[in-house]
Amino acid sequence: DQQVKQNSPSLSVQEGRISILNCDYTNSMFDYFLWYKKYPAEGPTFLISISSIKDKNEDGRFTVFLNKSAKHLSLHIVPSQPGDSAVYFCAAIPTGTASKLTFGTGTRLQVTL
Amino acid sequence: SAVISQKPSRDICQRGTSLTIQCQVDSQVTMMFWYRQQPGQSLTLIATANQGSEATYESGFVIDKFPISRPNLTFSTLTVSNMSPEDSSIYLCSVEDGLVGGYTFGSGTRLTVV
Repeated sequence: DQQVKQNSPSLSVQEGRISILNCDYTNSMFDYFLWYKKYPAEGPTFLISISSIKDKNEDGRFTVFLNKSAKHLSLHIVPSQPGDSAVYFCAAIPTGTASKLTFGTGTRLQVTL
Repeated sequence: SAVISQKPSRDICQRGTSLTIQCQVDSQVTMMFWYRQQPGQSLTLIATANQGSEATYESGFVIDKFPISRPNLTFSTLTVSNMSPEDSSIYLCSVEDGLVGGYTFGSGTRLTVV
C-alpha cells in the first residue's frame, strides 16, 4: 500500500522554465511533508518542507504547495537549471510519530539546455 | 547540518554471507534511522536505532535479519544477514537534523548479492 505516490516517474524541462513535481498521499494523518533531491551514488538531500498548517512555503527557487483537501502537494522549481537534474522524492510524516518518513517512489527530473 | 560518513559505499557479496554497514555522525544524535531502497522503489524505513536500547523495527523487518548496534550517540551499524539476491538494494542511514528541519542521509551503501 503506497501511501505517498509520485505518479510521474520522469519529467523533462528546458533550462529556465518551471519544473513542477507532483505528489499525492492517502493517509490523512500526515501533517508534515518534505522534498528531497537525490543524485546518483549520493544520499537524498533535504530541499524544503511544509507543515499542514500552511499551504505554501518558499525558499529561493523552490516553492512547495500543499492542498490538504486534495491530499496533494507540488514542488515548483523556477527557473530550472541543469544542476537540478536529479531524482526528487516527496516524503511525509504522520502526526505524533515525529520521525517516521514515508517516501514516494521518486520523479527523475531532466533539465535540458 | 549534520555530516554522516557511511561505509562501505558499495559491495558485492555472496549469498548466505553477511555485511555490516557503518554510519558515523559528526555530532551526537538521539535517533538514527536505517532505510532500504530496492531497485525502482521508494525508500523504506527498516528500523530506528536509539542509543542504549534495542532498535525498533518496522513491519516486515526483523532483528535476526537486520541486527543493529548503537553503541554511542554518534555511531550505528546495520548488518544484513544471510543475504540473498533479494537483499540487493541501497541501504542508507539518516538522522534528524534540527538545524535544517529535515533529515540528513548518508551517501548510501549499494549492495549486490550474487
